[in-house]
Amino acid sequence: QKEVEQDPGPLSVPEGAIVSLNCTYSNSAFQYFMWYRQYSRKGPELLMYTYSSGNKEDGRFTAQVDKSSKYISLFIRDSQPSDSATYLCAMRGANFGNEKLTFGTGTRLTIIP
Amino acid sequence: DGGITQSPKYLFRKEGQNVTLSCEQNLNHDAMYWYRQDPGQGLRLIYYSQIVNDFQKGDIAEGYSVSREKKESFPLTVTSAQKNPTAFYLCASSKTGLGNQPQHFGDGTRLSIL
Repeated sequence: QKEVEQDPGPLSVPEGAIVSLNCTYSNSAFQYFMWYRQYSRKGPELLMYTYSSGNKEDGRFTAQVDKSSKYISLFIRDSQPSDSATYLCAMRGANFGNEKLTFGTGTRLTIIP
Repeated sequence: DGGITQSPKYLFRKEGQNVTLSCEQNLNHDAMYWYRQDPGQGLRLIYYSQIVNDFQKGDIAEGYSVSREKKESFPLTVTSAQKNPTAFYLCASSKTGLGNQPQHFGDGTRLSIL
């Protein structure tokens, strides 16, 4: 079993819809949680960075962490065609260095105009 | 603009050949990383460096080598010993190697076998 599980999709939603992207994990030591957006043939771009549990909002994006369920989510409100990309979750334990980042496999999202 | 520059964007390797991928950053970051991305798999760490003149093996270092002679540069050599080198290679950096510093990525180099 992988430490981080992420549904690869593809996920297609109409423009303007709310998108929910999720990852589950098995390592209870994970404390730092990140979401990256990756356009085709480009590198991942950091979208959200959270520590421990709770919600964090940045514009149309909300990151949610539920440590009791070992489940993280990224919500995209008022989705736009420019949001079409692959979304990667990543996480790490608090007592580890930055080299111990564990990535999900990514969810491919398409926003239909 | 500050960022991470990877070159070339596309690279082809012949059998028995070593090739070197370039990674340069002007973010004044201490730590740099090399990842490999394959379809259906998460990013896998090849090598990392937390400071100049020091680097450590990651999870899949076999068949690869690196150097860190300058703070801004972290080139990766894919040697002929790497039998399955076809992949998308990503370089990243962070302010320090501490766990609370997010990693930022370049736009990758796609390596293929001729």
